[in-house]
Amino acid sequence: EVQLVETGGGLVQPGRSLKLSCVASGFTFNNYWMSWTRQAPGKGLEWVASITNSGGSTYYPDSVKGRFTISRDNAQNTLYLQMNSLRSEDTATYYCTRELPTDYWGQGVMVTVSS
Amino acid sequence: DIQMTQSPSFLSASVGERVTLSCKASQNINKYLDWYQQKLGEAPKLLIYNTNNLHTGIPSRFSGSGSGTDYTLTISSLQPEDVATYFCLQRNSWPLTFGSGTKLEIK
Repeated sequence: EVQLVETGGGLVQPGRSLKLSCVASGFTFNNYWMSWTRQAPGKGLEWVASITNSGGSTYYPDSVKGRFTISRDNAQNTLYLQMNSLRSEDTATYYCTRELPTDYWGQGVMVTVSS
Repeated sequence: DIQMTQSPSFLSASVGERVTLSCKASQNINKYLDWYQQKLGEAPKLLIYNTNNLHTGIPSRFSGSGSGTDYTLTISSLQPEDVATYFCLQRNSWPLTFGSGTKLEIK
């Protein structure tokens, strides 16, 4: 059974950093692209970052480029999202997702950016 | 960036009714269009990928069609468990962009 379990969310002040983790199981992690997608409270979905299966290439929208970094440790079956210079508009539930098209989603982890 | 416009934003329909949801791209997305269903309090779930391919385990009452800039998700016979918000996603070019969603309820 494919499982994606995100951790690392919480309340953080504007301008600070936070690192999310996603532990994957039930599939061969290093065969798949992985991504992060977020959803602000009561809002729609926003793609945040993607990484190739080897980790050699990464992709971001302008809204997070230069502030967020997606990475992966294929030996540990773990995906990361390093979020720096956080803003109030980054407040959202962050989902770890597998492949493109995204066929599996984690349960999500809440990140709240507030003073 | 490619803008994705979904319509309607809200739809109320009866059980058994045929329902059509629309997603329009601001430019040609070459059928790289996926549909997701999100029920209240849950993570989204993939329904359709590449315009018309049904994801594993998805009931056959769901179907997709379209080309160029215009795409449609059809539910042939609406069921109570289909109450959800439906999102489209274009994967033709970076950045990936979602539509704003269609909230579907039972009349």
